[in-house]
Amino acid sequence: DAKTTQPTSMDCAEGRAANLPCNHSTISGNEYVYWYRQIHSQGPQYIIHGLKNNETNEMASLIITEDRKSSTLILPHATLRDTAVYYCIVLKYNFNKFYFGSGTKLNVKP
Amino acid sequence: EADIYQTPRYLVIGTGKKITLECSQTMGHDKMYWYQQDPGMELHLIHYSYGVNSTEKGDLSSESTVSRIRTEHFPLTLESARPSHTSQYLCASSAVSGTGAYEQYFGPGTRLTVT
Repeated sequence: DAKTTQPTSMDCAEGRAANLPCNHSTISGNEYVYWYRQIHSQGPQYIIHGLKNNETNEMASLIITEDRKSSTLILPHATLRDTAVYYCIVLKYNFNKFYFGSGTKLNVKP
Repeated sequence: EADIYQTPRYLVIGTGKKITLECSQTMGHDKMYWYQQDPGMELHLIHYSYGVNSTEKGDLSSESTVSRIRTEHFPLTLESARPSHTSQYLCASSAVSGTGAYEQYFGPGTRLTVT
């Protein structure tokens, strides 16, 4: 599976959009981009995933560049409860295991 | 809400004791996983299973062992606990969701302290 690079930490003001970048320059054609988050010491929680097209669900939007070498997770109106570590993961369709990496620590401030 | 359970939630035990951390899920998932995570650090995969009688070691070497005799049950055992085993242990299972995503569902974790 391709490796990903994320900033160590980011700050965001409450109510503003949080844009979390992820670089996956070695991604191959059959690999999906997944985003998970981990709040405090709970188990990670699925947020969204995509292959080529931009995706949106009730939690977030995922923007994938045309060359698929990077993506951005967007939380449109961040709240204090969105403070968490966000993981960008690249997976083949028939995956066997996740590699979570270090992720980005998002601090949402009042 | 995923139905995956771990017991105990907290365990303080002395060095040399044998312990088993329980994990069970009622969703019928074939794939199950054990992760180890120290506070503020990365999640490390230590064991996984594709189904009954299938177990594999993960990316982080661990002195623990696992078994998968039933689909719903994936216990982790430490034969002789040591202070270096102090950590949080998270169990997970996975399946394809209605949106086609491979989602992992995590249990609440077991926080182990070995004195």
